[in-house]
Amino acid sequence: SQQGEEDPQALSIQEGENATMNCSYKTSINNLQWYRQNSGRGLVHLILIRSNEREKHSGRLRVTLDTSKKSSSLLITASRAADTASYFCATPFRGGRRALTFGSGTRLQVQP
Amino acid sequence: DARVTQTPRDKVTEMGQEVTMRCQPILGHNTVFWYRQTMMQGLELLAYFRNRAPLDDSGMPKDRFSAEMPDATLATLKIQPSEPRDSAVYFCASGLVTSGEFDEQFFGPGTRLTVL
Repeated sequence: SQQGEEDPQALSIQEGENATMNCSYKTSINNLQWYRQNSGRGLVHLILIRSNEREKHSGRLRVTLDTSKKSSSLLITASRAADTASYFCATPFRGGRRALTFGSGTRLQVQP
Repeated sequence: DARVTQTPRDKVTEMGQEVTMRCQPILGHNTVFWYRQTMMQGLELLAYFRNRAPLDDSGMPKDRFSAEMPDATLATLKIQPSEPRDSAVYFCASGLVTSGEFDEQFFGPGTRLTVL
């Protein structure tokens, strides 16, 4: 079963706008990761946030983590058409054995 | 530019046939993962290896699936006999696990399997 659930399932925005995706999970975690998947391709790691961190930035990406609410958000600022992809949150499989459990993903469409 | 490679990229087969998917992890990585992606179930972990030893294969239907690492440069996933419900994209990923650190995984391009 999936640990994480992303919200929304699909998001369509105009180039230049910000995109926010949310992820909720069920069990305690020590880290949470976000991945991107372009159509027909494998997943690419974007960012990792540890359980003792509340916010992390990487370029145009901003990730927050609220362990009390078991939720995380991914914000992409000043979106580009090239950001069109599916975005997944991932949490440790069975309490941190290095494998990951992925959420259902958010499909982001950025209109040029 | 190190990357995970997978072969074949696409496979169409008939029900009952054996299917073998291969993965070459990034040189130096000590952990290999097999995932399956379908529209209905999303991404599911099938099995993973550390230093070529299987650590967890509880996500795999044992009666028909088998995963091995004959050597550090090759991981295989076999389905025998294949069934239409096995149709999915199968991803291999590798990573370097070090004590006390959390790890990103590097994914291959996937094998798209269609069982007729």
